[in-house]
This record gives sequence, structure tokens and C-alpha cells, in this order.
Amino acid sequence: SSELTQDPAVSVALGQTVRITCQGDSLRSYYASWYQQKPGQAPVLVIYGKNNRPSGIPDRFSGSSSGNTASLTITGAQAEDEADYYCNSRDSSGNWVFGGGTKLTVL
Amino acid sequence: QVQLQESGPGLVKPSQTLSLTCTVSGGSISSGDYYWSWIRQPPGKGLEWIGYIYYSGSTYYNPSLKSRVTISVDTSKNQFSLKLSSVTAADTAVYYCARVYVAATRGYFDYWGQGTLVTVSS
Repeated sequence: SSELTQDPAVSVALGQTVRITCQGDSLRSYYASWYQQKPGQAPVLVIYGKNNRPSGIPDRFSGSSSGNTASLTITGAQAEDEADYYCNSRDSSGNWVFGGGTKLTVL
Repeated sequence: QVQLQESGPGLVKPSQTLSLTCTVSGGSISSGDYYWSWIRQPPGKGLEWIGYIYYSGSTYYNPSLKSRVTISVDTSKNQFSLKLSSVTAADTAVYYCARVYVAATRGYFDYWGQGTLVTVSS
């Protein structure tokens, strides 16, 4: 089965831009989706498809993809963006895989 | 607004079967556009997809859990359920149910339940 690799931790200064990446072979043929999870809460979908945001997600969140790498970018990070972020995709066998998660710290 | 709510025992003994139900409100489980999934998260760890079901009863399971997992649907109650057999302490986790959109090149889990902690212990 396919795997998705994320950096365990990333930090960003308040108001600056941060990119969180996700690598895996499945990303060459299937878009990643991205989830934000705050402590004690269920994950929330923030980006899906080529670069789509569900209703209610701020436009400072954006997504992109190139080859086997998908990226989630937060432009002008806010204190409330501090959370764990997970990427997700579907491999060629139809199995869904989550990345290991990236803990984002806003300084 | 679609809402999902997990229910079931919070404590299961080793070797027994874990059983959870997800009740969907605000939308029909038979809509046809979505699948209905179970995902789990061990304490302090990442997310793991368990499997999902279509309203017709078609199922897809994570190969690593396939021999122990059964997901079923009851469209009359707008519910779907998870059974995980022969549990061990490694199955202790928060279990989430979620709605899944699946297409040829993209898919996503757009609505999630709040999650329920299931502890496997004697």
C-alpha cells in the first residue's frame, strides 16, 4: 500500500507564510485533501481537490500539487491556525491513506 | 447541515468484538453521492482509515484490518455500523465516522462525527 510522508513539526511566526508538505506516489494521480485537527476535536477538512476550500475555511488556506508532492500553504498564519495537519489520498488499489501529521506551531 | 454521531461502549475486553454505530442527520445516507466511513486515531497518534460503505451495501476495507472488520448500513434508520473482532490493546483509539466523497481523481472526508474513545482493557 502507498504511504504519505509529512514533516512531524513546522513553526511559523505570526502573520508569516508557512508551507506544509506531503509526499507519496499516490499523489501523482490523486489529489490530496488536507485536515486541521485541534486538541480534543475531530479533524476539519480545509482543502480538497486541486485547490478548493469548504465553506467557512479562510482564504489564507490554499493547496497545490506537483509530481508526488502536495502542499498546504497558510498565508498570514494566525494564532488559531496552531494545530495538527493531516494530508490524505487514495492509492491505486482504492485504499485511503493519511499522512503522519504535521504539528504547526505559531510563534 | 449534515451531522454524524457515534455511539457504543467505551470499554471492550480483549478478544471481544468492538461495535459502534454512526447516526446521520441532516441528510440521507441513501443520497448516492457519498460513502460512509470509519476512521480511528490511537491516543497521541495519527489517523487510520478503517473502511467505508455505500448505501447499497458495497464495502471497502483497509487491507491491514480487513480480516477483522465488518461495516454495515441500515438505510431505514440512517445509520451505519462498525464491528471489529478479536480486539487487543492496540485497538484502543478514538473512533470517528465520516462522510466521504469519492471521484476519479479526488476525494475527501467532509463531515465528521465528534469521535468516541474506545478502550480495550480487561
